[in-house]
Amino acid sequence: GQQVQQSPASLVLQEGENAELQCNFSTSLNSMQWFYQRPEGSLVSLFYNPSGTKQSGRLTSTTVIKERRSSLHISSSQITDSGTYLCAIDTNAYKVIFGKGTHLHVLP
Amino acid sequence: DAGVTQTPRHEVAEKGQTIILKCEPVSGHNDLFWYRQTKIQGLELLSYFRSKSLMEDGGAFKDRFKAEMLNSSFSTLKIQPTEPKDSAVYLCASSHRGFSNERLFFGHGTKLSVL
Repeated sequence: GQQVQQSPASLVLQEGENAELQCNFSTSLNSMQWFYQRPEGSLVSLFYNPSGTKQSGRLTSTTVIKERRSSLHISSSQITDSGTYLCAIDTNAYKVIFGKGTHLHVLP
Repeated sequence: DAGVTQTPRHEVAEKGQTIILKCEPVSGHNDLFWYRQTKIQGLELLSYFRSKSLMEDGGAFKDRFKAEMLNSSFSTLKIQPTEPKDSAVYLCASSHRGFSNERLFFGHGTKLSVL
């Protein structure tokens, strides 16, 4: 089965609403990262977050390694937040596994 | 721009052709990854280099896919021979100290279409 599961698969928000994206792992891991993929395809790492809570602007990532889960909170969503949010883990030094992503669409 | 550079941005190949995709990692980065992205499978790891040494060769992708890192600032991914199922976006990423220690930086990708 899938080692990295993301939910929801897709999400539609009105501008200004908050969102909570989930990432669950079925295997032990060393660390994880959250990525944002723009509609045109480019990927950028949002958070390198092996554990605990990290915040950057309107984004907050919380990872609990022993519970094998991470969440990404987006507050006051904007149209420019639309795109795909991916989480990835490494199970050893070499294997980096990505989830299938949450497709976010923010409407005006 | 000192990010990860991939060329070409788009590639169209006939079935059976050999194609070579190129990647220049961020200057000074020691780790380089090649991924393939499709709508159905998502991101799949093809290969991973650490300090130019191949650490992971992607298992199922071994037979027709070969990645090389001739020097610390240049890598190629050769697909030989191409098949229509290889149509996908091929992404290159790099980091200084590995995924476990810091962020991964991605290139814009090469969109490959095999006819």
